[in-house]
Amino acid sequence: DQQVKQNSPSLSVQEGRISILNCDYTNSMFDYFLWYKKYPAEGPTFLISISSIKDKNEDGRFTVFLNKSAKHLSLHIVPSQPGDSAVYFCAASDLTGYQKVTFGTGTKLQVIP
Amino acid sequence: DAGVTQSPTHLIKTRGQQVTLRCSPKSGHDTVSWYQQALGQGPQFIFQYYEEEERQRGNFPDRFSGHQFPNYSSELNVNALLLGDSALYLCASSLRDRGHLQPQHFGDGTRLSIL
Repeated sequence: DQQVKQNSPSLSVQEGRISILNCDYTNSMFDYFLWYKKYPAEGPTFLISISSIKDKNEDGRFTVFLNKSAKHLSLHIVPSQPGDSAVYFCAASDLTGYQKVTFGTGTKLQVIP
Repeated sequence: DAGVTQSPTHLIKTRGQQVTLRCSPKSGHDTVSWYQQALGQGPQFIFQYYEEEERQRGNFPDRFSGHQFPNYSSELNVNALLLGDSALYLCASSLRDRGHLQPQHFGDGTRLSIL
């Protein structure tokens, strides 16, 4: 039972354009969402998060949007840079304080120079 | 400031053997979680340790066990290894801040191969 789904295994975007990565979830108890970036041979690196009381959170070139009614979130990267090429994982948790995080299967982003 | 460190980097075992993986959390962190990442999949939560006790557990059999030491470092033990245990094992640490969820910091993982 995949509670966090990233339906696009890969995405290619031209440098300077917008990258949009999508994520859907099924568990209504999730109320905290995160995006991680992973380069080969490295562990995931935290990128940005959003709690369910917000619908948007922005950090530099990265913006996460949350649509609770649709159980959908997206990560926008503007402008995309070649260094953004990596696997992006969507993750979710409930705010129990115990941080049991459920990850999606990842989307491999390639930014073409 | 050292981040999360894991050892060893790579490990090869045969079916039926036992393995111990080690993790040192980021300085200042008190909570350690372990994840298994199979090829082409996202990390799957195994369990979490805080104050030397297992606090949460994912859907993994009892062959997977762990420990947290007073210095917050942690071990993951897997007994009776199966071919399906071949994966990247990730350790993540965080600081438990009551009422506020802190994002986890991950190590680079231990690649375990079962022959």
